[in-house]
Order: sequence, then structure tokens, then C-alpha cells
Amino acid sequence: DIQMTQSPSSLSASVGDRVTITCRASQSISTYLNWYQQKPGKAPKLLIYVASSLQSGVPSRFSGSGSETDFTLTISSLQAEDLATYYCQQSYSTPHTFGQGTKVEIK
Amino acid sequence: EVQLVQSGAEVKEPGESLKISCKVSGYSFSGYWIAWVRQMPGKGLEWMGIIYPGDSDTRYSPSFQGQVTMSADKSISTAYLQWSRLKASDTAKYYCARYGDYLRRGNNYYFYGMDVWGQGTTVTVSS
Repeated sequence: DIQMTQSPSSLSASVGDRVTITCRASQSISTYLNWYQQKPGKAPKLLIYVASSLQSGVPSRFSGSGSETDFTLTISSLQAEDLATYYCQQSYSTPHTFGQGTKVEIK
Repeated sequence: EVQLVQSGAEVKEPGESLKISCKVSGYSFSGYWIAWVRQMPGKGLEWMGIIYPGDSDTRYSPSFQGQVTMSADKSISTAYLQWSRLKASDTAKYYCARYGDYLRRGNNYYFYGMDVWGQGTTVTVSS
């Protein structure tokens, strides 16, 4: 199985801050890396697919980059409604493993 | 509108069987892979496996192989996840989700993200 490691596990930032979450794969996954947002008590929501493609309807402050083993999710200007846990997931080979999640809190 | 609507919460005893469902609407059920994802209380997301309703091709995570069975009924656009003998450790919320697209190269499949999710089914297993 491909292991996905996210960092940090949690972070606290102020509204308007630039936030970066990283995800590392244990082997190359090309660009088959997706990012999800899960708000408390809700189902996950797709934000970014194939590393850098913004899912329809997702605000442009979210962006993704990276390839092979190293990937980044960036929130350019954190908003209060971005309080959530963020997960990366590789969809290169089954099982399509998730990272352990990054909990984003608002200061 | 594309929707995945899951069956309601279940409370079961250890050793019982269970089948939960995920009914889709708004798109061609046969043409998209459906995934099942587990979330244990207070924990992260775990990928269980996928099924292609068109031909019932199924791929399980090794962690769940032999523990659950995925199936699909094209006539009613519904995917299922079932257990033959539940354990307390199966207590979790289970989500179904649709993969939006994929690329096939020979026998290899490369998937895009899961773009539509069900609301989740909470399964509680307790004596």
C-alpha cells in the first residue's frame, strides 16, 4: 500500500492568513492526488483533484500543487468557514489511501 | 442533480448481519465507480474499496478484504455494503462516494477524485 503522510496534524491561523498543508506519498503517484475538506458532522467534500484541478464550485482561494511524491494544499486567505479537517488521498493505485488529516482551527 | 442517498442509522449486536445501501440519482449509475469509506468515531477516513456497477468489478482494500462485501443492483441504481458477522470494531460511519472520472491504460486505472458523497450511515455494534 502507498502511505500518505500529512503535515501538520493541526494548525491554528487567523482569518486572512495564508495556510499551507503538505502531503507526502511513500512512492511516486504522478499527479493522482486529491484534497478533501470535512467540516464537523458533515460528509467530506472534494476540493482539488489530480493535484491542481479546482473542483467546480470551490472558492479560488484553495489551490493545489505538486507531483510524484510531494504535494501542497494552499488556502490563500483563510476564512472563518474554512474551519475543517483536510485530507489528501492518492488515487494512483488501490487501495486509494488517505492521509491522516490536518485539523484547521481559527484563532 | 447528482445525489447519493444512504440508508438510515443501524444498531446491531455482535454476530448479526447487515446490509446498508446507497441509492444514486441524476446520472448513469452503471458508468461510474462507487467507493465506500469508513470513519470510526473521532478518527480519519479509511478507503474500503470500489465497485463498478456496470460489470460489478470490485477492488477491496486488503484491510477490508473478506470482512465486507460490496455489490450493486443496476435495476434500482443502488450500491450495497454488507457484513455477515458484525463486530464491535465495525462501529463507524460509512460513506459511499462517486469517482468523477478515471483514466484507463491497459489493465491499470487512474482515478480522479470522489466528487459526490452520500450523507453517511452510522453503524453501531454493541451488545
